[in-house]
Amino acid sequence: GAVVSQHPSWVICKSGTSVKIECRSLDFQATTMFWYRQFPKQSLMLMATSNEGSKATYEQGVEKDKFLINHASLTLSTLTVTSAHPEDSSFYICSAHDAGTDAREQFFGPGTRLTVL
Amino acid sequence: AQRVTQPEKLLSVFKGAPVELKCNYSYSGSPELFWYVQYSRQRLQLLLRHISRESIKGFTADLNKGETSFHLKKPFAQEEDSAMYYCALRRGNTPLVFGKGTRLSVIA
Repeated sequence: GAVVSQHPSWVICKSGTSVKIECRSLDFQATTMFWYRQFPKQSLMLMATSNEGSKATYEQGVEKDKFLINHASLTLSTLTVTSAHPEDSSFYICSAHDAGTDAREQFFGPGTRLTVL
Repeated sequence: AQRVTQPEKLLSVFKGAPVELKCNYSYSGSPELFWYVQYSRQRLQLLLRHISRESIKGFTADLNKGETSFHLKKPFAQEEDSAMYYCALRRGNTPLVFGKGTRLSVIA
C-alpha cells in the first residue's frame, strides 16, 4: 500500500514558539491531504483538509491563523503550529488520498507528538 | 451531521472467544463505512470497508442500514487482535469521520 511519512515524529518546544510538521506521500501523489489531532485516549478529530495549490479548508473551531497549512506540491503538506501553547500539546496525524488509483482509501502517517512546555 | 458511535471504550475477551465491536452511525444518505485498526506503536491502517464485503484477518462487518450499524465481528479472537479499533464513515470523497474507538484486549 501507499506510504505516508511525517517529520518529526516528536517535538518538544517552548511556549510561544512555532513548530512545523511535514507530511509526505512517499510513492504516490496526493492532491488532498488531511490533518487530524488526537488527544490521549480519544479519537481522531479532523482539523483541516489540505488541497494542493489552494487554501486549506478548516473545520469549525479550528483557528486557521494558528494552524497554518501549506500544500505546495503533490507530495508534501506542512502544518505549522504558530505561537504554540501547552494546550496545543497533542498527537498530530496526517492522511492522504492516492490520486492515481482508488481515491477512496486514506493512508495515514505515523503521527507527530507535540509537547509544548 | 455525520456521527459515528462506538459505545464500548474497552472490550476484553478470552482467546478463542467470539468478538463483536459495535458501531452505529447517523447519516441521512448512503455512507461508506470503514473499520481501521491501530496496533501498539503503529500507525492507523485500514482493516476493511463495507463496499468490499471481504474478510480480513478473520474479521467481517455487515452494513445494516435499518439499524444504522456496522458491527465488527470475529468468531475466534486471537492475542494478536489486541489493538485499538476505530469505526469511520465517509460521504463521497470527504474526509473520514471517526468514532471514539474501542480498545480490544484478548486475554490468553
